[in-house]
Amino acid sequence: DAGITQSPRHKVTETGTPVTLRCHQTENHRYMYWYRQDPGHGLRLIHYSYGVKDTDKGEVSDGYSVSRSKTEDFLLTLESATSSQTSVYFCASGSLGEQFFGPGTRLTVL
Amino acid sequence: EDQVTQSPEALRLQEGESSSLNCSYTVSGLRGLFWYRQDPGKGPEFLFTLYSAGEEKEKERLKATLTKKESFLHITAPKPEDSATYLCAVPHGTDKLIFGTGTRLQVFP
Repeated sequence: DAGITQSPRHKVTETGTPVTLRCHQTENHRYMYWYRQDPGHGLRLIHYSYGVKDTDKGEVSDGYSVSRSKTEDFLLTLESATSSQTSVYFCASGSLGEQFFGPGTRLTVL
Repeated sequence: EDQVTQSPEALRLQEGESSSLNCSYTVSGLRGLFWYRQDPGKGPEFLFTLYSAGEEKEKERLKATLTKKESFLHITAPKPEDSATYLCAVPHGTDKLIFGTGTRLQVFP
């Protein structure tokens, strides 16, 4: 296993509340990714990082921000959660094609 | 616009009944096609990389092939433990992947 963990695994929050999801990897991978997975849409990239403090947007980045202060940690923040951000969030690390995924975080925004 | 389309959306097979899943793509200058397996409640798991038309990769009962327009994941004599959602993906730019929506495979004993 690539050793990638996510926390929390489940979260229920209210609209307008800030939320931070955490991803930790132990493989010293340079690249890390945040995706969301929704029925009918598949996996969609939110943000990614190509090094410490180096991040860029994916296809569904509105309403999300990220930070990477250490190689092993990648944080995803919803500044003010909305119901449309209810989803399953996956973190991944590794090379472009061979990515190792975490177990996911199920987020519900009421 | 780069796109990945997978078919069928869902496939039900009897144990031992071989079949194929399709992944068609429209990208300029393909730089690889990747197959993943996803079990319910878990993150995707990498299976194969294919780089050029005519290339084939095998793993147990799975064989992935690639043409200039599509890839097939052939499943020979599947078992119930092969039940999962199979995803394909292609690079978009240098740093990102585009995933298809997947084929949900169910294999019944």
